[in-house]
Amino acid sequence: QSALTQPPSASGSPGQSVTISCTGTSSDVGGYNYVSWYQQHPGKAPKLMIYEVNKRPSGVPDRFSGSRSGNTASLTVSGLQAEDEADYFCCSFAGSNNLYVFGTGTKVTVL
Amino acid sequence: QITLKESGPTLVKSTQTLTLTCTFSGFALRTSGEGVGWIRQPPGKALEWLALIYWDDDKRYSPALKSRFTITKDTSKNQVVLTMTNMDPVDTATYYCAHRADGRNYFDYWGQGTLVTVSS
Repeated sequence: QSALTQPPSASGSPGQSVTISCTGTSSDVGGYNYVSWYQQHPGKAPKLMIYEVNKRPSGVPDRFSGSRSGNTASLTVSGLQAEDEADYFCCSFAGSNNLYVFGTGTKVTVL
Repeated sequence: QITLKESGPTLVKSTQTLTLTCTFSGFALRTSGEGVGWIRQPPGKALEWLALIYWDDDKRYSPALKSRFTITKDTSKNQVVLTMTNMDPVDTATYYCAHRADGRNYFDYWGQGTLVTVSS
């Protein structure tokens, strides 16, 4: 099972929006409503930001939103803030034999 | 409040076996739907899912690493153990354990991670 494909980097100025893509196949991203997104600051553990494609856990700002079209999921961060600068990883359920596949990761820079 | 913490050696030699322990609190792994997974991250690289154990002792492994990994649980101690045989320098990574949300397919709580270096 190959990793999901994400762009290596994305950037935006404070207040702007940035969208990160996560491309998989019909066996993972396109086949299940189980795409999640994680934020990771340097030296820290990943933090759940979006689950089941577009749901936000309690405490995550509504500036973070998720969507999916076919085999590609997306994370949008609106109203960028300095603290949003981090690495972001997508993850998808991939069936009962290979449960989870992560994305290659995207570094978001706030200019 | 759910917390998890990984423990184990920080340095192992090639071909040795690595044993990592995840000690958790705030949930019971005997409760239907619960699960604990292991994920690793080589320095500067992406996350990689390794293994998952369910409340009913069902176990799943990454197909690429299945032959080398064993995951077990001790519900009386609130611990999950990951054993990896035949370690190689490419296995150098931060190893995380994480709580799989009840019946869901995402990891909602993560441990702080433990860096394991494999020397040749």
